[in-house]
This record gives sequence, structure tokens and C-alpha cells, in this order.
Amino acid sequence: EVQLVESGGGLVQPGGSLRLSCAASGFTFSTYAMHWVRQAPGKGLEYVSGISSNGGSTYYANSVKGRFIISRDNSKNTLFLQMGSLRAEDMGVYYCARVASGGDYTDYWGQGTLVTVSS
Amino acid sequence: QLVLTQSPSASASLGASVKLTCTLSSGHSSYAIAWHQQQPEKGPRYLMKLNSDGSHNKGDGIPDRFSGSSSGAERYLTISSLQSEDEADYYCQTWGPGIVVFGGGTKLTVL
Repeated sequence: EVQLVESGGGLVQPGGSLRLSCAASGFTFSTYAMHWVRQAPGKGLEYVSGISSNGGSTYYANSVKGRFIISRDNSKNTLFLQMGSLRAEDMGVYYCARVASGGDYTDYWGQGTLVTVSS
Repeated sequence: QLVLTQSPSASASLGASVKLTCTLSSGHSSYAIAWHQQQPEKGPRYLMKLNSDGSHNKGDGIPDRFSGSSSGAERYLTISSLQSEDEADYYCQTWGPGIVVFGGGTKLTVL
């Protein structure tokens, strides 16, 4: 069974940093690209960042480019999102998502971790 | 610019059928999409990938009541024999070189 378990969310002040993790199991992590997707309170889904299976290629939404860094450790089946210079508009639930083999879409989602940006 | 457009809301009666629409922006009518369901207070769940020819690949455990179809730039999700647990937000997703896009979502109310 595919499982994606996010952690690392919490309360952070504007301008602060936070590192999210996603522990993957039930599939060969090293052969799948991965995404981070977020959802602001009461809003829709927003793509944040993506990374290729070997970590060699990374992608970012314009809203987070230069502030967030996506990475992965295939030896530990773990995906990361290092978030810096956090703003109020970064607040929301962050989901780890597995990218399907047949296209750049999500075929499995984690349960999410909440990031609150407030002073 | 790659954009997906969804109606904000839809409603249908228990036991009836409903057809939700996701429209691709001009010039992108050949793109495939994916449909996702998000029940209240839960994370999203992948339903299916839907190609421009209407063929689709459903996720694990998705009931036969959920089906997809396509016409031009429009992608449809049809839910038949509506149940109370189908009341949820439904999102479409598409992708291109270095870009992933979600529609704004449709909130489905089961009456």
C-alpha cells in the first residue's frame, strides 16, 4: 500500500523558515518523481514544487521560486521542502504527492501538514 | 497560458447522476487531465487520468460509478447513483513542460 506521511509543519513567524518532510513507503520511491502541493485555508489546490526521480531536475511555482528548495533522499525514501522567507500567503496545508508514471499528474496524496505563518 | 476552468458549484439529488466539467484553455484541447476528489476535512484522492479521446485510467478502488469523457477542450467527470459520501470538492489537474496546473475546483452538493 502506497503511503505518504508528511511532517514538519507548525507555527512560524513571517520571514522565518521551516523544513517539511514526507516519508514514503509501499513503492519504489527512487523511481518516481514527486510534487509538493498546497492549499490555503478555504481555497483550492496550488502546485508548489516538483522533483524528478533522481533529484536532478526541480521545478517551482513562480510564487515560491527563490524562497523554497525541494530535495529528496532516495536512500531514506524521503522528500523534503525547505521553506524560507515565509509570508502570510504561504500559510496552508502542504501535501506530498506522488507523480504517476504516465504523465506529470498526482496518483497518490499524503494527508498533509499544516503551516501557519503568523506573528 | 495553460489554464483549467471549473464551475464553482454543482448539485444533484441522492441516487441521481451529475456531470462535472473542466475546460482547457485555448490551444490546449489535446491535453490530458486528472480528476481528484477532496471530501470535507480530508486530503485529496486521485480518481482518474482522462485523455483527450475519452479513455481513462482510474485509481485504486475507485467505484464504477465514476467515469470520464472528453469533447474538444472539455473534460467531464460523471458520477452516477450519487451517494452522500460523494459530496466533496472535485479538482482537475493538467500539466505541460515544467508546469502543473489545477482548476479552481467544483463543490458538489448531494441533495
